[in-house]
Amino acid sequence: AQSVTQPDIHITVSEGASLELRCNYSYGATPYLFWYVQSPGQGLQLLLKYFSGDTLVQGIKGFEAEFKRSQSSFNLRKPSVHWSDAAEYFCAVGAPGTYKYIFGTGTRLKVLA
Amino acid sequence: DAMVIQNPRYQVTQFGKPVTLSCSQTLNHNVMYWYQQKSSQAPKLLFHYYDKDFNNEADTPDNFQSRRPNTSFCFLDIRSPGLGDAAMYLCATSTGQGATEAFFGQGTRLTVV
Repeated sequence: AQSVTQPDIHITVSEGASLELRCNYSYGATPYLFWYVQSPGQGLQLLLKYFSGDTLVQGIKGFEAEFKRSQSSFNLRKPSVHWSDAAEYFCAVGAPGTYKYIFGTGTRLKVLA
Repeated sequence: DAMVIQNPRYQVTQFGKPVTLSCSQTLNHNVMYWYQQKSSQAPKLLFHYYDKDFNNEADTPDNFQSRRPNTSFCFLDIRSPGLGDAAMYLCATSTGQGATEAFFGQGTRLTVV
């Protein structure tokens, strides 16, 4: 069965510091991979996605993610965090042809001024 | 802008009193989804429509039903809300055609009193 694991429930970083949020997936083939961000009381906004091709993908708000097939990982990174990045981040996988998206449990990011 | 709109943003209902949440989209997407998200948890897929074809998740309680009268609208009906049904309900859409992401509405926060 497909699954998504985000090992870090909470992460705290100082403003201006670099950030890496971890995501591991379990799927028989290469799934579609996504990172979404959710601010309190809001819906989910897509940050970036990977379907195929270049394993380093760029997204909005200065985020990037790298797909590593050998590690079944799709970690999200940002070189310098801003206070406005404080939110919950969800990694998700989509199984080709099923129209379904499976979400990880999320990582809540806190940014210290 | 094309978007997914959920109404209302906040809904308070009484224990056992039927309630309906609505979702509309201007994206003309084939697939519409309903997710339930409880505090600090991942969104959990309840069901989805591909056009008029309804797909229920195996563990979705019978208390939850859905209607999709046309491409643009989808409704979530909770027949007899319990305290455990208090959650954020997220509507999403996708094209359902190949590699694509889901687009989310702002969500409806349901409180059961």
